[in-house]
Amino acid sequence: GQNIDQPTEMTATEGAIVQINCTYQTSGFNGLFWYQQHAGEAPTFLSYNVLDGLEEKGRFSSFLSRSKGYSYLLLKELQMKDSASYLCAVRFPSGGSYIPTFGRGTSLIVHP
Amino acid sequence: EAGVTQFPSHSVIEKGQTVTLRCDPISGHDNLYWYRRVMGKEIKFLLHFVKESKQDESGMPNNRFLAERTGGTYSTLKVQPAELEDSGVYFCASSQGLAGSPGRVEQFFGPGTRLTVL
Repeated sequence: GQNIDQPTEMTATEGAIVQINCTYQTSGFNGLFWYQQHAGEAPTFLSYNVLDGLEEKGRFSSFLSRSKGYSYLLLKELQMKDSASYLCAVRFPSGGSYIPTFGRGTSLIVHP
Repeated sequence: EAGVTQFPSHSVIEKGQTVTLRCDPISGHDNLYWYRRVMGKEIKFLLHFVKESKQDESGMPNNRFLAERTGGTYSTLKVQPAELEDSGVYFCASSQGLAGSPGRVEQFFGPGTRLTVL
């Protein structure tokens, strides 16, 4: 299968910057998503990368290197509400469509 | 615009019983997906509908799981008979866009149904 690896847990201070990494097997790659999930809630879409480079959206940015099978999510000016699980999901071909394969998620704890 | 809704939010049943989960996708979304997250593990794909047709059901664990989407609107996922290892959170997601499209197809997730099998 396609292994998606990301750290289990990270902690950071309010106002700081944190980078959450995600690595994956490159064969069949067709796009990478980042989702945010607060406890007990639905995952919500943050970003999508299919080409190499950095995509910036407000305090959140996502980077992709297809040749290295590597992405990161960068969160700036951290706020307490950013404490959540961050899910990396990579699209691979499946059954004539493209289905995301998820990592286990990175639990981010932001403290004062 | 209403998001993806799922019912029930929680279900506790005994081993051997039957449970039916329901998902209502965003109106107009032809693509509907079921996922499951077992505690401590990643979210795993179960199956994908395009309208009322099963596009991909490669993730369904076994024949105790039956998914339907009559009329191409809401979908149900029935587990019969339930086993202990079926416990987890079952997510539904929907998206616009054509099946097989290589472009960005954002999935909108529901809040999930937490299933506990005792």
